[in-house]
Amino acid sequence: NFMLTQPHSVSESPGKTVTISCTGSSGSIASNYVQWYQQRPGSAPTTVIYEDNQRPSGVPDRFSGSIDSSSNSASLTISGLKTEDEADYYCQSYDSSNHAVFGGGTQLTVL
Amino acid sequence: QITLKESGPTLVKPTQTLTLTCTFSGFSLSTSGVGVGWIRQPPGKALEWLALIYWDDDKRYSPSLKSRLTITKDTSKNQVVLTMTNMDPVDTATYYCAHRGRGELSPWGQGTLVTVSS
Repeated sequence: NFMLTQPHSVSESPGKTVTISCTGSSGSIASNYVQWYQQRPGSAPTTVIYEDNQRPSGVPDRFSGSIDSSSNSASLTISGLKTEDEADYYCQSYDSSNHAVFGGGTQLTVL
Repeated sequence: QITLKESGPTLVKPTQTLTLTCTFSGFSLSTSGVGVGWIRQPPGKALEWLALIYWDDDKRYSPSLKSRLTITKDTSKNQVVLTMTNMDPVDTATYYCAHRGRGELSPWGQGTLVTVSS
């Protein structure tokens, strides 16, 4: 079964840059697009990156996504961290049978 | 503007069947490429994808839950229904439905908390 692995938690100071990784268990992570969702406590997830590196309208350009085929991983980078960025972040993609797969989520603390 | 809303029981007993309805607006499930998915999240835990149904009635299920899940659509009512059989306390979670467009699941409904308890 295809799985996506994320670090459980990351922390960084306001104004700094943080990168959250999402590693695919098998195959090529580049075979299907990766999405990133932000979830604040008590709210439904919202998209911050779709199709590997595209930002929905309204998402600041401090958020960026990338794919590294050599490590079979995707990354979400947030620059100029703000306290409002503190949330859980999930990567998501599809396996070869078009089943959606979520990573285990990363808790971002901005302190 | 696309909106989705989940509805169904807030409490079910172990072994019962859960039926959840996702009522949406702002898009049609008869439009090529469009889908609606179900995702759940146990309290304090990660998101778990459950099922997806597409405009052409193609259906995909989580391999680990496939035997318990059925997803159907009613295009005329703008609804998608998910049934899950043989509910267990470990199935206690917030259940979300979401629109699938290009590839991302967006937007999501507000979610509905389902508790499994006798």
